[in-house]
Amino acid sequence: AQSVSQHNHHVILSEAASLELGCNYSYGGTVNLFWYVQYPGQHLQLLLKYFSGDPLVKGIKGFEAEFIKSKFSFNLRKPSVQWSDTAEYFCAVNAGTYKYIFGTGTRLKVLA
Amino acid sequence: GAVVSQHPSRVICKSGTSVKIECRSLDFQATTMFWYRQFPKQSLMLMATSNEGSKATYEQGVEKDKFLINHASLTLSTLTVTSAHPEDSSFYICSARDRTGASYNEQFFGPGTRLTVL
Repeated sequence: AQSVSQHNHHVILSEAASLELGCNYSYGGTVNLFWYVQYPGQHLQLLLKYFSGDPLVKGIKGFEAEFIKSKFSFNLRKPSVQWSDTAEYFCAVNAGTYKYIFGTGTRLKVLA
Repeated sequence: GAVVSQHPSRVICKSGTSVKIECRSLDFQATTMFWYRQFPKQSLMLMATSNEGSKATYEQGVEKDKFLINHASLTLSTLTVTSAHPEDSSFYICSARDRTGASYNEQFFGPGTRLTVL
């Protein structure tokens, strides 16, 4: 069965630290990949997406992600986090159908 | 563009009553809409896929008689939680797919509805 893994469940960083959140999926065919952010008490917001082309995708708020097909990964990065980045981050994969499969989420806390 | 709204944003009801949640695509036609459920501090779980003019497809383990889905128009899908119980309390999120757009494989998410059953 298709699955999405986010290995970091909780991450705590100080402001200005660099961030990398892992996302791995299991599907051998063509995939569309997404990262969403959910701020406390708010709804999902799309950070970035990958459909095709350049595997390095830049999104909003200074986030980027790299699709590495050979590793079935789509890790999210930000060079310098801010306190306002405290949120939960979800990786999602659309593989073969139009359904999304979400990862379990990573809760990020940035200390001021 | 690609805005999805949900109504109500919050609802509190008594056990045994039914609650209807609306999901609307405001600026595009959504032939397919999706309903998710999110428990506190957990991920989104797909409940069902709603296709305009046809019966919804439910994921394994989701009771179709409890969670009634209607997708009567290209811009509106409704989820009715029938005979609600406290364990149905959750955050319900809908999304819609713009089949005609360039991002035809992308889903656009609504803001969610927080249901509390007393």
